[in-house]
Amino acid sequence: EAGVTQFPSHSVIEKGQTVTLRCDPISGHDNLYWYRRVMGKEIKFLLHFVKESKQDESGMPNNRFLAERTGGTYSTLKVQPAELEDSGVYFCASSQDRPTAEAFFGQGTRLTVV
Amino acid sequence: SQKIEQNSEALNIQEGKTATLTCNYTNYSPAYLQWYRQDPGRGPVFLLLIRENEKEKRKERLKVTFDTTLKQSLFHITASQPADSATYLCALRNSGGYQKVTFGIGTKLQVIP
Repeated sequence: EAGVTQFPSHSVIEKGQTVTLRCDPISGHDNLYWYRRVMGKEIKFLLHFVKESKQDESGMPNNRFLAERTGGTYSTLKVQPAELEDSGVYFCASSQDRPTAEAFFGQGTRLTVV
Repeated sequence: SQKIEQNSEALNIQEGKTATLTCNYTNYSPAYLQWYRQDPGRGPVFLLLIRENEKEKRKERLKVTFDTTLKQSLFHITASQPADSATYLCALRNSGGYQKVTFGIGTKLQVIP
């Protein structure tokens, strides 16, 4: 069975440009999460989808970030316009809908804004 | 604010010994505490979950303790192997059916042959 897949693995863009990150969760996992790790800091929660609905987006930094999960399958995270401080590794994770369900993480997308 | 402290410095131990990693937290009453392993260039991999009403949990060579009075968890790897070398992350979460977790910065473990 395929794990959580993220694309691209790396992205280098100029300040002011737009980037879209994609996450394909494990099939059948209703819960999908986005996290981000800025260099030297902890991995931090961004938002959580249950199927296609945003359950919690309290970790989203600002309105330059837009996440979608149309149809409750894959998700995209768009940054527009990108700023230097958006650089980091963006992780996606998915889990089944049980309190102790394990979260499976993707390999991450390393975003560098120059 | 909620804070998790892990030894951000690397921990070096000899192969075969027991590695002990510490996770301390403040301003938090987690329902669950989790440990993850992360290798360079990869996402975190779940290892163990322990509930607030549990004192200890074991899985193969891994053991986790959870002391809600001290607000501390200890993570042990017995008979350590070079393949255990990685960064280990402590993560806390509240009750509820989803994985909004608060991560520590992680401790890098190096097992020396």
